[in-house]
Amino acid sequence: EAGVAQSPRYKIIEKRQSVAFWCNPISGHATLYWYQQILGQGPKLLIQFQNNGVVDDSQLPKDRFSAERLKGVDSTLKIQPAKLEDSAVYLCASSLFTGYQETQYFGPGTRLLVL
Amino acid sequence: AQSVTQLDSHVSVSEGTPVLLRCNYSSSYSPSLFWYVQHPNKGLQLLLKYTSAATLVKGINGFEAEFKKSETSFHLTKPSAHMSDAAEYFCVVSAGGTSYGKLTFGQGTILTVHP
Repeated sequence: EAGVAQSPRYKIIEKRQSVAFWCNPISGHATLYWYQQILGQGPKLLIQFQNNGVVDDSQLPKDRFSAERLKGVDSTLKIQPAKLEDSAVYLCASSLFTGYQETQYFGPGTRLLVL
Repeated sequence: AQSVTQLDSHVSVSEGTPVLLRCNYSSSYSPSLFWYVQHPNKGLQLLLKYTSAATLVKGINGFEAEFKKSETSFHLTKPSAHMSDAAEYFCVVSAGGTSYGKLTFGQGTILTVHP
């Protein structure tokens, strides 16, 4: 079974530029998550989708971050404009359903460095 | 509300000796608890999870954890460390209520294994 795919793996940009990350979840998984992991910390949820609808985006800085999940499969996370403090690893995860007993499966992440 | 505290930011052991990584949790509802491992530049991999069945949970690579409700703990153990166990470990809680399905991560414990 193929895992969660993410691209690119690494990205270096200058502040005020824009950047986009892509995620392809495990086939058949209805729920998709984006996390931000700052160096030395545990991942923090940014946004959660159930099919193509947003379930929770309370931690997403909506003035600069946006995300979409068209057709309930792939998802894109965008940052515009980027700030220095956005340097982090962005992790995508998916699960079959939304539920507190559901296992979330993580992709390899995209490491972003903002200069 | 839910939270996780990993009691040690770094643990160092010798190869062949036991491993103990400590985790305490807080949750207003009956929780699910997970341990994930993250090797350098890799995504998060599920080691094991507790979902209100047996309190002693066995995971991959010889790891196990015991859910102790009275102590609100979910410590991770392994009888004999291997060099390949060197990584960062995250204790994670998920519960019902308004946080339904949302994962809350601890700060992580870096495990170092000496030859």
